[in-house]
Amino acid sequence: GDSVTQMEGPVTLSEEAFLTINCTYTATGYPSLFWYVQYPGEGLQLLLKATKADDKGSNKGFEATYRKETTSFHLEKGSVQVSDSAVYFCALNSGGSNYKLTFGKGTLLTVNP
Amino acid sequence: DSGVTQTPKHLITATGQRVTLRCSPRSGDLSVYWYQQSLDQGLQFLIHYYNGEERAKGNILERFSAQQFPDLHSELNLSSLELGDSALYFCASSVTAGASSDTQYFGPGTRLTVL
Repeated sequence: GDSVTQMEGPVTLSEEAFLTINCTYTATGYPSLFWYVQYPGEGLQLLLKATKADDKGSNKGFEATYRKETTSFHLEKGSVQVSDSAVYFCALNSGGSNYKLTFGKGTLLTVNP
Repeated sequence: DSGVTQTPKHLITATGQRVTLRCSPRSGDLSVYWYQQSLDQGLQFLIHYYNGEERAKGNILERFSAQQFPDLHSELNLSSLELGDSALYFCASSVTAGASSDTQYFGPGTRLTVL
């Protein structure tokens, strides 16, 4: 079945540091890939997505590239801010008989000033 | 604000009781999905409705049921509650019946505590 593996945190960085959160997946067919972010006490917000191989999703300085050959979708940001502190979830949707999202376990990011 | 609303925000109840969680999708969205978020299981898909019809079931217990009404709002009913049902329950909506590329927009969640 489908699965998502992402690096487990917590990850603690200083402001303006470079961020990478690794995400790899196993899926049938050609899934769409997503990064969602959950701020404390809130629901999940879509951060970015990519729907086919070699697509790059980007939003608010975050980027991730859909790499089919390595089944990966790593999240990166060149310079993090304190306001980026949140839990980040990698997810996939492979369609088929249902269109559920399969999530990784989430990575807690804390950015210190 | 995603446009998806969920009520109530918090729910505290006792074992053996029954509760109903409510979700209103974004305007124009026909699909509603329910997910459960717990510390040990993470985010798990429960069930998907499209335009009033059940489309897919995930790891949903028999004690749980859901429905989507003609006005497209959805309710998740949890009965014979156990301590282990304590979790955050999210509703999400999307435009179509399901395309893998569809974005699912999440509500703020209902935090259920079973004592």
